[in-house]
Amino acid sequence: GAVVSQHPSRVICKSGTSVKIECRSLDFQATTMFWYRQFPKQSLMLMATSNEGSKATYEQGVEKDKFLINHASLTLSTLTVTSAHPEDSSFYICSARGDSNYGYTFGSGTRLTVV
Amino acid sequence: SQQGEEDPQALSIQEGENATMNCSYKTSINNLQWYRQNSGRGLVHLILIRSNEREKHSGRLRVTLDTSKKRSSLLITASRAADTASYFCATGTGANSKLTFGKGITLSVRP
Repeated sequence: GAVVSQHPSRVICKSGTSVKIECRSLDFQATTMFWYRQFPKQSLMLMATSNEGSKATYEQGVEKDKFLINHASLTLSTLTVTSAHPEDSSFYICSARGDSNYGYTFGSGTRLTVV
Repeated sequence: SQQGEEDPQALSIQEGENATMNCSYKTSINNLQWYRQNSGRGLVHLILIRSNEREKHSGRLRVTLDTSKKRSSLLITASRAADTASYFCATGTGANSKLTFGKGITLSVRP
């Protein structure tokens, strides 16, 4: 089945630094990937849609200069949280559409803690 | 913005019982999907139902969709302790569209 690998699973960084999260589709090509943010015990909020070879489409209220998304190949999308602050601490999850029945495959998520 | 609203918010049942979770949405959809999330993990796709379908089965899962009421139900039969997780409904407006998630339901199955 379709597998999406997301790394790292956990990261702790200092305030003001940048963190890069990778999302890879391992056994299929993903022209579109999605990045979500999830706060504890809450739902997933879509941050942006990442399209291979073009600029990402950001949801309203998401700072594109803070959350840099790059989708350089059909199997890799990256999210870089720039100049991270404690309020950016959250669970970030990527997903990509598999090739069967519209179901989306999700990565295992990245727990970001900014101290 | 959130489209789906699940109910109940939390459900606790005994192993072996059936669990019914509901999802209401607001706008027209192409498909509705149910996902499961174990604590601190990513989401696992459970089942998808298209807007022209009324019921679908997959193993112990049964999903219904009533587009006139804009409502879907997920039934898990003969629940197991391993079914303990959060369950989310998500709606899509097309084959490659973004998904809009509900707030989720926390299911606890007591052994």
